[in-house]
Amino acid sequence: KQEVTQIPAALSVPEGENLVLNCSFTDSAIYNLQWFRQDPGKGLTSLLLIQSSQREQTSGRLNASLDKSSGRSTLYIAASQPGDSATYLCAADYGNNRLAFGKGNQVVVIP
Amino acid sequence: NAGVTQTPKFQVLKTGQSMTLQCAQDMNHEYMSWYRQDPGMGLRLIHYSVGAGITDQGEVPNGYNVSRSTTEDFPLRLLSAAPSQTSVYFCASSRYSNQPQHFGDGTRLSIL
Repeated sequence: KQEVTQIPAALSVPEGENLVLNCSFTDSAIYNLQWFRQDPGKGLTSLLLIQSSQREQTSGRLNASLDKSSGRSTLYIAASQPGDSATYLCAADYGNNRLAFGKGNQVVVIP
Repeated sequence: NAGVTQTPKFQVLKTGQSMTLQCAQDMNHEYMSWYRQDPGMGLRLIHYSVGAGITDQGEVPNGYNVSRSTTEDFPLRLLSAAPSQTSVYFCASSRYSNQPQHFGDGTRLSIL
């Protein structure tokens, strides 16, 4: 069974600092690794998807890396802003779009 | 496009009642899934579908039924609600396998 872990559960950073969020997964036989953002009371918004053959993916201030051999992915958010405050979820796709989720990193960016 | 639409947004049920959570997408997506989100547990896959007429079980299927008679709709049925099914339910869809998934805004379900 695929287990996905995100540590820490919650963190606060001052505005302007770079955010680094870590995700680990137990089974390296994944099709892709996805990062989502969830705002309170809302659904999930897809941020980045890294295919199993890729090492990283970038979108604006966001960059995600993937190391399948070590079972790790990292999401970097450059120059954080108060609007980046949210919960970030990591999910491993183990086939047919079946996702195994971590419990999330709850981020607060302090103005 | 409306994206993924879930109805109702909120529902309170009594133990033993039945109900159907609706999910519809207008993006011609083949893949659809149902997840539940519980505090301290994260999101867990209930059932999924890879196309009309094809469904399969996820991680926590007990107590739930699904069917996929059209590409657009993927309803989730609770036949006899139990307090353990109190949760937030999310529906997701994607056009193909290995593609980003689009999530609905969720249905918040309480079972007394």
